[in-house]
This record gives sequence, structure tokens and C-alpha cells, in this order.
Amino acid sequence: GEDVEQSLFLSVREGDSSVINCTYTDSSSTYLYWYKQEPGAGLQLLTYIFSNMDMKQDQRLTVLLNKKDKHLSLRIADTQTGDSAIYFCAENIGNQFYFGTGTSLTVIP
Amino acid sequence: KAGVTQTPRYLIKTRGQQVTLSCSPISGHRSVSWYQQTPGQGLQFLFEYFSETQRNKGNFPGRFSGRQFSNSRSEMNVSTLELGDSALYLCASSSPDRGGEKLFFGSGTQLSVL
Repeated sequence: GEDVEQSLFLSVREGDSSVINCTYTDSSSTYLYWYKQEPGAGLQLLTYIFSNMDMKQDQRLTVLLNKKDKHLSLRIADTQTGDSAIYFCAENIGNQFYFGTGTSLTVIP
Repeated sequence: KAGVTQTPRYLIKTRGQQVTLSCSPISGHRSVSWYQQTPGQGLQFLFEYFSETQRNKGNFPGRFSGRQFSNSRSEMNVSTLELGDSALYLCASSSPDRGGEKLFFGSGTQLSVL
């Protein structure tokens, strides 16, 4: 659980789609999560996916899960400047949450 | 429903002092977790309390301690502060539901050690 990996930075143009990737560690994780952190704030739960699902869509957000490769992604459609933030993926193993390093998303107007 | 409340929002201390941070969870949540966030180390798990008992503990020295009260409010204490303790300390509460356990975070306490 301690090496949940994400790329550090992503930059996209306003209106484009953003894809943030995450590699997690434990195939027994029941739920996987995406959190968003804006400057000076705590983490806000964006969405989550149950491990027996491949995909979950929630308005502009699409989560894809590849259990075989332990790969999780978050797609944000029609990215807006308000989406600029740090995005964390997380897995829950034995009642403990393990967070990725965070991906800083910058949206260029 | 009120969210997770952390006080104080900002704190400035000097090396060697001690500090106590407070967290009030969402009403009905019995689990409270604490995390340290720094630019270099990311989010590091400190400890988790459930019904006044420490249920999980991260890899931090004994200078970091916590407790939880019967109303689920929690405090964490850092003694003999070091410069490296400067960080954003985040508290999160959780409660299991049909959609699995989810963490809800407060805005954090920004601690600066001079």
C-alpha cells in the first residue's frame, strides 16, 4: 500500500479532456478513490469505484479500472480552470487508506 | 451536516515547543485519522482512532501522539517541535456505509516551526 504512484504534473488547455493515471499496489483493495485538493484546503472526495467494476461515470468524471494491471485513471471531460488542483488516488487496505503522490493539474485558459 | 472542523487554522511555534491540534469529526462518524502533508513527502499517515482507541499507527516518532474523546472529537499533540515538523496537518473522519468506507477531510492546520 505504500507505493501508490502517480505522475507529478499534467497541463491541459481549457475545454480539452484530462486523464490522470495511478498505479496502486494491492489487488485486494475493495474500493479505489479519487480526491481533489485545491490550494490551502483539505482533500475533497471526488468519486470512487468498487473493485468489481471496470468503469464509473459521474457527470464530467469517468473512472477506469484495470485490475489486472492495478491501474486506475480519472478522465475529466471539458476541463475548466476551476479543475486546476492536485488530484490524489487512494486505496483502502485493512481500514487504512494509502494515497498516491498527487498529480498537479494546471488548466491553461 | 457540518463537515470536519480543525482548529486552529494556522499556528506558528518555535523549536522545542509543543503543540496541540484539534479535530471535530462529522456528526455520527466514529473514526478519526490524522495525516501530515509536506511538499516533499506527500500525505503521510499518522494514526487513526476509533471509539477512543488507537486502531492504526503510521511510522512517526513517539513525539507525535493523539487521543479521541467519547464524543469522537480528537486531538493530536507534537512535543519538542523540530523544523521538519512544519507541515499541513489534516484530519479526516469516516464511517462505513454501503459504498465502502470514505474519508472526509477538514481544511487542515498549517503548522510552521521557526
